[in-house]
Amino acid sequence: EDQVTQSPEALRLQEGESSSLNCSYTVSGLRGLFWYRQDPGKGPEFLFTLYSAGEEKEKERLKATLTKKESFLHITAPKPEDSATYLCAVTGGSSASKIIFGSGTRLSIRP
Amino acid sequence: NAGVTQTPKFRILKIGQSMTLQCTQDMNHNYMYWYRQDPGMGLKLIYYSVGAGITDKGEVPNGYNVSRSTTEDFPLRLELAAPSQTSVYFCATQGYGQPQHFGDGTRLSIL
Repeated sequence: EDQVTQSPEALRLQEGESSSLNCSYTVSGLRGLFWYRQDPGKGPEFLFTLYSAGEEKEKERLKATLTKKESFLHITAPKPEDSATYLCAVTGGSSASKIIFGSGTRLSIRP
Repeated sequence: NAGVTQTPKFRILKIGQSMTLQCTQDMNHNYMYWYRQDPGMGLKLIYYSVGAGITDKGEVPNGYNVSRSTTEDFPLRLELAAPSQTSVYFCATQGYGQPQHFGDGTRLSIL
């Protein structure tokens, strides 16, 4: 069964304190892994797509990486405005026409 | 360019009532999706459509119905509302090979 597990569920950091969020996935024939940001009261906002192991994408303080079993979202020197829930999702295998979402990591950055 | 528009933003229903959640897009995407998101949980797929006239069940379709008569619109119908359907509902669209784009959701309470 296709599955996505994110950890930790919640993470509180001090401004400037770098860290990483984890997304472990089980899917045969991965077609794509997606990272989204979701602010309270809003729909998810697309950040990155990764297609193959070894691929990396960067945007401002965020960098996403991918292996054959998991993806990491690295946050370097975060600011309070980076506080949000970060969702990971995959498509492929038996869910080729659908995207399977993880339950997200709630990130809070204290000034 | 509005993207994905969901109406209403908020709604309170009584048990047993019915209603339609509206979703319209101006991105000319063939793929459209309905998700529900319960507090602290990930997105669960209710129904999806790969084009006008074609719909299919997702992970949690019971108690819901959809139709797709045009590319732009993908309404979600709740018949005989139940407290278990209290949730935030998100509509998303997707072009071929593209990430999903989400609306800002409809917050529904069943009392």
